Amino acid sequence: QKEVEQDPGPLSVPEGAIVSLNCTYSNSAFQYFMWYRQYSRKGPELLMYTYSSGNKEDGRFTAQVDKSSKYISLFIRDSQPSDSATYLCAMSAPGNNRLAFGKGNQVVVIP
Amino acid sequence: DADVTQTPRNRITKTGKRIMLECSQTKGHDRMYWYRQDPGLGLRLIYYSFDVKDINKGEISDGYSVSRQAQAKFSLSLESAIPNQTALYFCATSSSTGVNYEQYFGPGTRLTVT
Repeated sequence: QKEVEQDPGPLSVPEGAIVSLNCTYSNSAFQYFMWYRQYSRKGPELLMYTYSSGNKEDGRFTAQVDKSSKYISLFIRDSQPSDSATYLCAMSAPGNNRLAFGKGNQVVVIP
Repeated sequence: DADVTQTPRNRITKTGKRIMLECSQTKGHDRMYWYRQDPGLGLRLIYYSFDVKDINKGEISDGYSVSRQAQAKFSLSLESAIPNQTALYFCATSSSTGVNYEQYFGPGTRLTVT
């Protein structure tokens, strides 16, 4: 079983819809949870991070972590064509020196 | 100017050739990483370095080697390229003085081995 599971299937939504992305993980030591956004032909860039459990909101983006279920989510409200990108979840444990990445979800927001 | 730069941005090479990918950063970070990205497989760590004298293998280091020439420079070599090394390669950096979660990525090198 991989440490981080993210269904890589592409997701197409109409503009204005809510986008829901999620990842599951197996390592209970993970404490830092991140979402990276990667535009075509670009490197990933950090979009949001959460430490331990709970929710975090930043504008139209909300990140949720449920450590009891080993499940994290990213929601994008009022999606825009500029949100079209690949979204990768990533996680790290305290004292660990690397990030474990999901495979990424390609999101297309149709005008 | 970009904080993390990679050269070349695109490269086509033949099986058996030696190739070097270079990464430079102006962020002042001490930690540097090399990843490859393949469709459906996500990002996989090849090597990482915490300082000039510290080099560590990642999950897929076979067929690759690295050199940390300076704090700001980290190069990846394919000693004898093979077609299944065709991929998008990313260099990333992070700081040991901050929370380790954030890594800053370069723009990537698209490598094709024929």
